[in-house]
Amino acid sequence: DVKVTQSSRYLVKRTGEKVFLECVQDMDHENMFWYRQDPGLGLRLIYFSYDVKMKEKGDIPEGYSVSREKKERFSLILESASTNQTSMYLCASTEGGRVETQYFGPGTRLLVL
Amino acid sequence: QKEVEQDPGPLSVPEGAIVSLNCTYSNSAFQYFMWYRQYSRKGPELLMYTYSSGNKEDGRFTAQVDKSSKYISLFIRDSQPSDSATYLCAMSGPEYGNKLVFGAGTILRVKS
Repeated sequence: DVKVTQSSRYLVKRTGEKVFLECVQDMDHENMFWYRQDPGLGLRLIYFSYDVKMKEKGDIPEGYSVSREKKERFSLILESASTNQTSMYLCASTEGGRVETQYFGPGTRLLVL
Repeated sequence: QKEVEQDPGPLSVPEGAIVSLNCTYSNSAFQYFMWYRQYSRKGPELLMYTYSSGNKEDGRFTAQVDKSSKYISLFIRDSQPSDSATYLCAMSGPEYGNKLVFGAGTILRVKS
């Protein structure tokens, strides 16, 4: 069974703080993704990575950065948190070339005050 | 115009009803069509996927793709209260690489 874990289920941060969200997958998947989910907007892709140390911008990368130093771990960084980054953050992974089977983590609910 | 349109609902049905969930899309290049189920405060889980056109059945769930109409459906037979969740459609194609384009999700409530 594929397992994708995220470091926190709930986070409360203050405006201007640097925020780290961690994601780990245990299936040796090449591709990893970070999404945010907001009511009425669905899932929007922030960044993705198809290999260690590789990253690609998604649809809404502004205000975010990522790091992938190891194959199993993909981190999302909010350099200076703002209230409009309050959201549900979801990490996903998939095998290379297997677009149809993305596996998601449980999500992190981030509240920025 | 969004690439993938999905009615947000909520859709409320009695237990045992047949449920039809739908998405329309604008890009004829989409070839992979997925349905995810998301329970409250959880991550999405893959229910079914189909490649190109046609139907696929898995237990009480049937996924249908009509590429000529750019329309996909998920049917749930004998719906149960445990089916209450948000259902997300997602699509991809060669020009998207490994990326998915999601609908906004439909909230389904099955009442006992």
